[in-house]
Amino acid sequence: GAVVSQHPSRVICKSGTSVKIECRSLDFQATTMFWYRQFPKKSLMLMATSNEGSKATYEQGVEKDKFLINHASLTLSTLTVTSAHPEDSSFYICSAGAYRGRDRNEQFFGPGTRLTVL
Amino acid sequence: GENVEQHPSTLSVQEGDSAVIKCTYSDSASNYFPWYKQELGKGPQLIIDIRSNVGEKKDQRIAVTLNKTAKHFSLHITETQPEDSAVYFCAAREGYSSASKIIFGSGTRLSIRP
Repeated sequence: GAVVSQHPSRVICKSGTSVKIECRSLDFQATTMFWYRQFPKKSLMLMATSNEGSKATYEQGVEKDKFLINHASLTLSTLTVTSAHPEDSSFYICSAGAYRGRDRNEQFFGPGTRLTVL
Repeated sequence: GENVEQHPSTLSVQEGDSAVIKCTYSDSASNYFPWYKQELGKGPQLIIDIRSNVGEKKDQRIAVTLNKTAKHFSLHITETQPEDSAVYFCAAREGYSSASKIIFGSGTRLSIRP
């Protein structure tokens, strides 16, 4: 249980286009999902916290108009990279919070989406 | 905000030997410390975690220790195997809720020499 999927797994786009990445919790509901960005050989940097039915909370330095987040249901959050540029090329990873029982509140991570902007 | 530091950045050990990765955190309010393993091109996978009311936790070949006073926590892998080769991240979270954000360390690239 507690599987998180992402779609697409890889995407290549032209500069100036927008790209949408989906994050789904397959067998549980998640009121909170998180979006991370990871550069090669670097750590995961939290971009924003996505709350179902409300606006996302962005970390300092992350442009909310550049990275649009929508959490329309308890199993789906989307990240849209608007007007993508080569510097937006990265590995984007989502996670979903799940209550697993007494004293077990975990985050489960998706497999990631590699975005390449030409 | 929370800051997590992790050492070493790379670690190479002989198969069968032990590997130790150390982390420190800055926010005394953090009370949950997960460890993740990330293989190339994949998302992180939780391998073990520890809460602040526990000093040590073990799961087969993996153990984690926590010194809350010193704000240190460590991952110990014994009897290392080739499949242990990966990047390992420590992390810290403030709060027991799964809605609380997790802050990651910089990662340790572990290589197991055959």
